[in-house]
Amino acid sequence: AQSVSQHNHHVILSEAASLELGCNYSYGGTVNLFWYVQYPGQHLQLLLKYFSGDPLVKGIKGFEAEFIKSKFSFNLRKPSVQWSDTAEYFCAVGPPGNAGKSTFGDGTTLTVKP
Amino acid sequence: DTAVSQTPKYLVTQMGNDKSIKCEQNLGHDTMYWYKQDSKKFLKIMFSYNNKELIINETVPNRFSPKSPDKAHLNLHINSLELGDSAVYFCASSHGGSGANVLTFGAGSRLTVL
Repeated sequence: AQSVSQHNHHVILSEAASLELGCNYSYGGTVNLFWYVQYPGQHLQLLLKYFSGDPLVKGIKGFEAEFIKSKFSFNLRKPSVQWSDTAEYFCAVGPPGNAGKSTFGDGTTLTVKP
Repeated sequence: DTAVSQTPKYLVTQMGNDKSIKCEQNLGHDTMYWYKQDSKKFLKIMFSYNNKELIINETVPNRFSPKSPDKAHLNLHINSLELGDSAVYFCASSHGGSGANVLTFGAGSRLTVL
């Protein structure tokens, strides 16, 4: 069975600090990887995704993530966070072409202090 | 123009009642989903419909019944509500092809059972 582990449940940073949120997964096959973000009071939206190719993917708002296959990891990074990045971040993995089989991590709450 | 819209956004009701949550997407997607997000932010798929046909039905009580009158709508009906049903329910959709894994979520419906 596939599983997703997000190591940091709550991260508190000051503006301009660098961010790295950990995501490790367990899955026996080809995976597609995602980070979704949920801003306060809003719906989940796609931040970035990895299907194939360059393991370093760039998403919206200056976020990037690196797929390291040997470590089964897909960590999310941002060099300088802003107060508006305060949100819940969810890592998700799943088989190609089947969104319904995606498994979500239990989320990381990021609080950025102005 | 909202891509995936759910109503109501908030729902407070007594145990034992029956309630419905409606979902509509205007993206032309073939597949729609219902997810449940519990108090710990854990997101778990409940149902998936593709072109009005049920394709995923995770282990949920049979008090939950999805209905898809057409591929743009997927409603969730819940009978005999219990305290444990309190959660945020998210509708989502996706299309086929290479983007089949990318989910577009609605804003969520927060159900509180008293």
